[in-house]
Amino acid sequence: NAGVTQTPKFQVLKTGQSMTLQCAQDMNHEYMSWYRQDPGMGLRLIHYSVGAGITDQGEVPNGYNVSRSTTEDFPLRLLSAAPSQTSVYFCASSYLPQDGYEQYFGPGTRLTVT
Amino acid sequence: DAKTTQPPSMDCAEGRAANLPCNHSTISGNEYVYWYRQIHSQGPQYIIHGLKNNETNEMASLIITEDRKSSTLILPHATLRDTAVYYCIVSGPLAYGNKLVFGAGTILRVKS
Repeated sequence: NAGVTQTPKFQVLKTGQSMTLQCAQDMNHEYMSWYRQDPGMGLRLIHYSVGAGITDQGEVPNGYNVSRSTTEDFPLRLLSAAPSQTSVYFCASSYLPQDGYEQYFGPGTRLTVT
Repeated sequence: DAKTTQPPSMDCAEGRAANLPCNHSTISGNEYVYWYRQIHSQGPQYIIHGLKNNETNEMASLIITEDRKSSTLILPHATLRDTAVYYCIVSGPLAYGNKLVFGAGTILRVKS
């Protein structure tokens, strides 16, 4: 299994540009999520999905859109990039048990908005 | 906001046990204690989780107090590669809409 993969690894955008961060997992996990991590801080949840066709907002959703058309993929869209969105973005996935679970994280995408 | 309190940093000698404390005095009955770590800006890595009982796996042991208000993660023989930020998280099952909320964590420095 490749686990959770993210592309690109690095990206530089100009203010106002749009782009999509890709996330894929091959473990047939129902749950997928996006986090952002600013320097020296913990991760903050942006959006999450509990299955294909179902998405919901996390702690910091403004400026980001998501969709989940397949179980495997969960892309994150920045519609009009702003310097405040400069961050490292992590995608994660897991099963949806009714008890404890392990969440698998991707390697991250490092985004700089100038 | 994170429901846990951790020391900002700790040092440990290589080969010794690293004991990382975590306070979670407001934990609810169906909430689990999770530990993740993040090595040098890589994606966080799951370590272990528990509900009431102590747990052990190939990476670590988790000791939860009887009142469940605090816990300790134990790395039995720390190596330089264990230097990382360790996050203690309290959360209920994902299936019921709960989420992982990361705090600032504890920076563990393992020194030779």
